[in-house]
Amino acid sequence: AQTVTQSQPEMSVQEAETVTLSCTYDTSESDYYLFWYKQPPSRQMILVIRQEAYKQQNATENRFSVNFQKAAKSFSLKISDSQLGDAAMYFCAYRSASGSNYQLIWGAGTKLIIKP
Amino acid sequence: DAGVIQSPRHEVTEMGQEVTLRCKPISGHNSLFWYRQTMMRGLELLIYFNNNVPIDDSGMPEDRFSAKMPNASFSTLKIQPSEPRDSAVYFCASSLSTGQGFEKLFFGSGTQLSVL
Repeated sequence: AQTVTQSQPEMSVQEAETVTLSCTYDTSESDYYLFWYKQPPSRQMILVIRQEAYKQQNATENRFSVNFQKAAKSFSLKISDSQLGDAAMYFCAYRSASGSNYQLIWGAGTKLIIKP
Repeated sequence: DAGVIQSPRHEVTEMGQEVTLRCKPISGHNSLFWYRQTMMRGLELLIYFNNNVPIDDSGMPEDRFSAKMPNASFSTLKIQPSEPRDSAVYFCASSLSTGQGFEKLFFGSGTQLSVL
């Protein structure tokens, strides 16, 4: 069975600096998707970034980028120029690319604190 | 698009009462998910609908929980009778699924349920 591990329960960063959130996963599959979701105090889960395992190029979305290391089964999220609005819980998630597979496997989350 | 709409945002009820949570998915999406989020267990998938048909309800805790999707634009999650251990945030999420599964899952703002 697949698992997702976020080893950092909490991280803090000074506003305008860069922070990296860690995520590792375990799977025997070769094709899958990885996601980072943000959950601010407003509670809504918001998709930050998505990576297809078959793509070697790391996904980027403005200030958010990932470091996808397939062999190491690592999928870290880098937030550049941190802003106060980035304060939230961040969840890493995995989904098999099998068409019939709808299950998202979630990590436990990392609470990101932004210091002004 | 208004996104996934859930109601109510907060629900406080007494043990033994019936609770109904409502969800309107994004227009055009064919997959709908109900999740429950607690501190202890994180995000748990309760039930998954595809084209209004329940595909997997193995996550529904017990017979007190039921879910329906009478049409493509509406779903309900009902708890009867409610118990204090049902207190959690309940999320509805929708996606457009193809033969390759779904690429992105869009969440509603959730319902915070408190059973006293």
